[in-house]
Amino acid sequence: EAGVTQSPTHLIKTRGQQVTLRCSPISGHTSVYWYQQALGLGLQFLLWYDEGEERNRGNFPPRFSGRQFPNYSSELNVNALELEDSALYLCASSNSVGANGNSPLHFGNGTRLTVT
Amino acid sequence: RKEVEQDPGPFNVPEGATVAFNCTYSNSASQSFFWYRQDCRKEPKLLMSVYSSGNEDGRFTAQLNRASQYISLLIRDSKLSDSATYLCVVNDYKLSFGAGTTVTVRA
Repeated sequence: EAGVTQSPTHLIKTRGQQVTLRCSPISGHTSVYWYQQALGLGLQFLLWYDEGEERNRGNFPPRFSGRQFPNYSSELNVNALELEDSALYLCASSNSVGANGNSPLHFGNGTRLTVT
Repeated sequence: RKEVEQDPGPFNVPEGATVAFNCTYSNSASQSFFWYRQDCRKEPKLLMSVYSSGNEDGRFTAQLNRASQYISLLIRDSKLSDSATYLCVVNDYKLSFGAGTTVTVRA
């Protein structure tokens, strides 16, 4: 069974540019989560999609957005990049939905974004 | 107050020792809890779920205290390979991660 795949693995952008990160969940998983992990820091929740809808959003500005497609893959878009957006962006999928979900997350290898 | 808080450590222990640490959460409506392990520059991986009655998985024991809103992880007979950062995860309708507790097991 293929795991969660993310692309690209590495990306270098300049301040002010826009970036799109992609994630394919494990087959059968309907939920996709996005996290930001800056160097030396913990995972910060960005977005949660399930069945094509945004279910919850973390404390990030509106220039962080995303969507989930009918095949449950997902994109994370970041506009007007800032230097502090440099981080590892991790996507995870799960086959459970809702606050009572007990299904664990399966993570991709992440996309390392560097903003110069 | 952060949604999930952990003692960052580091906990530096000899092989064979027992190490334990806690994680507190702020949302009393949180429904499920997990411990993940993250090795340096790698993605987090599920270590174990945490059940209300407490549960063991080999040398690892997890406990949940809903009244005090914390979960704990205990590692018995530490191995060098247990060196990692342990992340507490709380399902508060968005799966919030703690910043992690670093454990280093020395020979």
